[in-house]
Amino acid sequence: AQSVTQLGSHVSVSEGALVLLRCNYSSSVPPYLFWYVQYPNQGLQLLLKYTTGATLVKGINGFEAEFKKSETSFHLTKPSAHMSDAAEYFCAVLLILTGGGNKLTFGTGTQLKVEL
Amino acid sequence: DVKVTQSSRYLVKRTGEKVFLECVQDMDHENMFWYRQDPGLGLRLIYFSYDVKMKEKGDIPEGYSVSREKKERFSLILESASTNQTSMYLCASSFWDTEAFFGQGTRLTVV
Repeated sequence: AQSVTQLGSHVSVSEGALVLLRCNYSSSVPPYLFWYVQYPNQGLQLLLKYTTGATLVKGINGFEAEFKKSETSFHLTKPSAHMSDAAEYFCAVLLILTGGGNKLTFGTGTQLKVEL
Repeated sequence: DVKVTQSSRYLVKRTGEKVFLECVQDMDHENMFWYRQDPGLGLRLIYFSYDVKMKEKGDIPEGYSVSREKKERFSLILESASTNQTSMYLCASSFWDTEAFFGQGTRLTVV
């Protein structure tokens, strides 16, 4: 069974500082991995995804993440935080089922606060 | 743009009522999902479906059922609503190996 662990339910950074949101996964097969962002009172929006190929993936709004198989990690980073980055961030792992369909499992989320 | 539409943004229902949450997608996606979102618990998968009339239990199916009679529509049913089902419900859809697209969510309050 696959699962996702996000370390730190709340992260606070200063504007202009590095953002690092941690995600570790477990999966019995090579994973497809995603980061989503949720702004207040909105649905989830895809930030970036890893399926195959290059392990460093770039997403929207200056975010990027690196797939590290040896560490079973997919941490999200942004070099310089902006006030508009304040939101909740979710890591997810996709399991493609042999019988059809797929199962998308999410972590518990990390609330990012950006302070002046 | 992909559009996933949930029929209501806010619902208030009484304990014991039968509740229907509707979701429609316009991208011919095979997969559709229902999640509930609660503070500190993230998104938990209730049911998913990969084809018409096909359904699979997710991680927390108890107290819920689903219906998928047409490819574009996936309904979540609370047979007898209870207060512990008060939550935000999110519908999503995807192709078999790509990211999921989400609706705006339905905030359900059971009183």
